[in-house]
Amino acid sequence: EAGVVQSPRYKIIEKKQPVAFWCNPISGHNTLYWYRQNLGQGPELLIRYENEEAVDDSQLPKDRFSAERLKGVDSTLKIQPAELGDSAVYLCASSSFRSVNEQFFGPGTRLTVL
Amino acid sequence: RKEVEQDPGPFNVPEGATVAFNCTYSNSASQSFFWYRQDCRKEPKLLMSVYSSGNEDGRFTAQLNRASQYISLLIRDSKLSDSATYLCAVKKTGGFKTIFGAGTRLFVKA
Repeated sequence: EAGVVQSPRYKIIEKKQPVAFWCNPISGHNTLYWYRQNLGQGPELLIRYENEEAVDDSQLPKDRFSAERLKGVDSTLKIQPAELGDSAVYLCASSSFRSVNEQFFGPGTRLTVL
Repeated sequence: RKEVEQDPGPFNVPEGATVAFNCTYSNSASQSFFWYRQDCRKEPKLLMSVYSSGNEDGRFTAQLNRASQYISLLIRDSKLSDSATYLCAVKKTGGFKTIFGAGTRLFVKA
């Protein structure tokens, strides 16, 4: 079974530039999460989707971050414009309704903002 | 105060040693507890869930102390391959949001 797929794996941009991350969850997983992990910290939830509906986006900085999950499968997280403090690893995870407690993480996108 | 706190370590132990990590949580409404393992520059992977009665999986034992609001992870007979960061995570009753600790780094030396 294929795991959570993310791309790109690495991204280096200059501040004020836009950037987008893509995630393909495990097939059949209805719940999708986007996390941000800063160096030396645990993952912090940005947004959670149940199918195509964003049910928890309280931690998403909505002035510059946006996300979508069209058709309830793949998801895209966008930052526009990026700031220096956005440098982090952006992790996507998914879980199924049968096992909501087990989240499967993708390899992440390591973003560096210069 | 952070909602989930861990000693960042690092813990440096020789092969074969027994090592234990604690994780404290502040929200008494927390209901589900987990330990994740994260290798350097890799994604977190679920190691084990923590049940009220405690649970064991091979060399790993997890325990929950609700009265003192902490969970623990015990690793017996440490292997070099156990070197990683161990993240604890909690979820509130009826909630879907998982709060992660910052992790405890473990180095197992030959």
